[in-house]
Amino acid sequence: GESVGLHLPTLSVQEGDNSIINCAYSNSASDYFIWYKQESGKGPQFIIDIRSNMDKRQGQRVTVLLNKTVKHLSLQIAATQPGDSAVYFCAENMVNRDDKIIFGKGTRLHILP
Amino acid sequence: EAEVAQSPRYKITEKSQAVAFWCDPISGHATLYWYRQILGQGPELLVQFQDESVVDDSQLPKDRFSAERLKGVDSTLKIQPAELGDSAMYLCASSLKDGPINYGYTFGSGTRLTVV
Repeated sequence: GESVGLHLPTLSVQEGDNSIINCAYSNSASDYFIWYKQESGKGPQFIIDIRSNMDKRQGQRVTVLLNKTVKHLSLQIAATQPGDSAVYFCAENMVNRDDKIIFGKGTRLHILP
Repeated sequence: EAEVAQSPRYKITEKSQAVAFWCDPISGHATLYWYRQILGQGPELLVQFQDESVVDDSQLPKDRFSAERLKGVDSTLKIQPAELGDSAMYLCASSLKDGPINYGYTFGSGTRLTVV
C-alpha cells in the first residue's frame, strides 16, 4: 500500500499568508522526496525536491523541510497567491523498491481572498 | 521547455470496447511510467519501463491492460475490454536515472478516460 500520506485533505489560507503543507512517510530507506502541484485537469508539475542528506531546500517562494527522525516532510509556500490553488502531492523515491516514485493522496490548497 | 506528450487528451468509450493511449517521453529519458489517477487521489503506478523493458508491472491488471514500448521511445497503454471502473486520468511520466534516483521526473498532461 501507499507509504506516503498527508495530514490534511484540504487547507484554506488567506491570500498573502504563508502556507504549510505536511506529509508523513514510512519508508526509512527512501532517499529522495519530491513535491508536485496539480491543477485541475492537468498532470502533476514538479515544484521542488530534496535528498535525504539534506534537511532544508529553498526555491522561489517555496521551501521543503525534511525531518528524517520523525519521517516528516513539509512544503512551505511564502506569500500565497491565487495561482497557488491546486492539489499538492508529496512523493518518495523508493530506493530499495525498484526506485519507484510513490505518491500520497494529496492536499488541496484553497486560497481565500 | 521539454514536455511529455500524451494523446488523446480526452476519451469517452463504451464499456467492453478497446481503448488506447499514447505517450512520447522527453528525449533522452530512458525511464517511462504509466500512472492511473482516480479523482481526489494521488497517481498510482501501473507500469514502469527502462528503455524497452518492463521493470515493474505488478499493479497492472493484466487481464485487460497491456503496455508496450517497442523501440524504447514512445509507449502505448491499452485497455480491452474497458470497464466502468476504469474511468480515470491516465498519466505518463519520464525520467533520467542516476543510480537509484529518478531525476527530471516529468508528467504529461494526461488522458481523461470516461467509460459509459
